[in-house]
Amino acid sequence: DSGVTQTPKHLITATGQRVTLRCSPRSGDLSVYWYQQSLDQGLQFLIQYYNGEERAKGNILERFSAQQFPDLHSELNLSSLELGDSALYFCASSPEPGSYEQYFGPGTRLTVT
Amino acid sequence: GESVGLHLPTLSVQEGDNSIINCAYSNSASDYFIWYKQESGKGPQFIIDIRSNMDKRQGQRVTVLLNKTVKHLSLQIAATQPGDSAVYFCAETPLAGGSNYKLTFGKGTLLTVNP
Repeated sequence: DSGVTQTPKHLITATGQRVTLRCSPRSGDLSVYWYQQSLDQGLQFLIQYYNGEERAKGNILERFSAQQFPDLHSELNLSSLELGDSALYFCASSPEPGSYEQYFGPGTRLTVT
Repeated sequence: GESVGLHLPTLSVQEGDNSIINCAYSNSASDYFIWYKQESGKGPQFIIDIRSNMDKRQGQRVTVLLNKTVKHLSLQIAATQPGDSAVYFCAETPLAGGSNYKLTFGKGTLLTVNP
């Protein structure tokens, strides 16, 4: 158990809908990272927050957004969902903003039908 | 658990043998290289990292080798155990500066350990 929690574990929704994925980092970790894992694209970095502020952006679509709250939990919002958004979404955390040793949560499996 | 990928390179070894997992990278500016392990149904787990100014680093039962000339990274696992069965990803990140700490992951290699 990495200490990172993600909810929900599974999510099934229809195209065009909006969902919110939630992540609680390890106790004491200030940095949160979001990744998308799909069969064709592999594991891709989406976005990073540190202590509430956005620090780095990767291949995140404009339909997606994220934020980190004062209690350090983070949410990833996915809107206007398309079939291709079906994937595993991982949250990771680290104590420092630029740590390569990131602790990953169990992931949220999103299925868009 | 769920399969991470259906078209990954695969490596099958016997329990007790040594395993070598290879990774090629393309970005000459990458400064850190990291290996992650992902077991079925779980998130990736950090194994070991190496900075670009090194060519070898050892951990517990694992050794990472870096050949910058040919942009090649390898992970050696000694005395492979059934619990080592997983998908192994190499990842790279450019020279740390500002807020650019994003990791770029490779496609992964599926390691299967036969008892």
